[in-house]
Amino acid sequence: GAVVSQHPSRVICKSGTSVKIECRSLDFQATTMFWYRQFPKQSLMLMATSNEGSKATYEQGVEKDKFLINHASLTLSTLTVTSAHPEDSSFYICSAREPGASRNEQFFGPGTRLTVL
Amino acid sequence: AQSVTQLDSHVSVSEGTPVLLRCNYSSSYSPSLFWYVQHPNKGLQLLLKYTSAATLVKGINGFEAEFKKSETSFHLTKPSAHMSDAAEYFCVVIPSGGYNKLIFGAGTRLAVHP
Repeated sequence: GAVVSQHPSRVICKSGTSVKIECRSLDFQATTMFWYRQFPKQSLMLMATSNEGSKATYEQGVEKDKFLINHASLTLSTLTVTSAHPEDSSFYICSAREPGASRNEQFFGPGTRLTVL
Repeated sequence: AQSVTQLDSHVSVSEGTPVLLRCNYSSSYSPSLFWYVQHPNKGLQLLLKYTSAATLVKGINGFEAEFKKSETSFHLTKPSAHMSDAAEYFCVVIPSGGYNKLIFGAGTRLAVHP
């Protein structure tokens, strides 16, 4: 099946700094990728939909200036948490949809654990 | 509005006994339904999916789920639990025509005891 990777798997940063998380589709081209956030012991919440070559679509309540998304190529989307604060600490998961396959299925990355001190 | 309800936040079973994780959905039309498993600090792995073909869906690791439209349910079952099944399980629905919008249930944590 399709493989999605994320880097880094864990990151610890100081409050006020920016952190970039990468999401890559390893064996397919993904025109659409998705970014989710998961708080401890909670479900996943969609943050934004990343479209290659165009602006991301953000869900209601997600600050687009704080969570910058770039989808510059068909295999890479990045999420940058700008001026991170402790409340941004969370598990961030990306997913990608494989063109030509079931349009409903998404393949998930292994996630990135962000801790802001 | 579309929604997914996982009826149990925690399920505990003994190794070798059956597993039942319950999921009910609310959708106006024929949805696509999925079960994903998440092990600690890991991403999500697809267990199985229903996309309007056979109502009884077989997945990986011995799991299966049955789509019951009359009950709006998509419960996940396994005849015999293994220690490695201990994880968080998410029921997910994509409403008909909603290609992007995965709607997640709150999750069920499965514990398996020796």
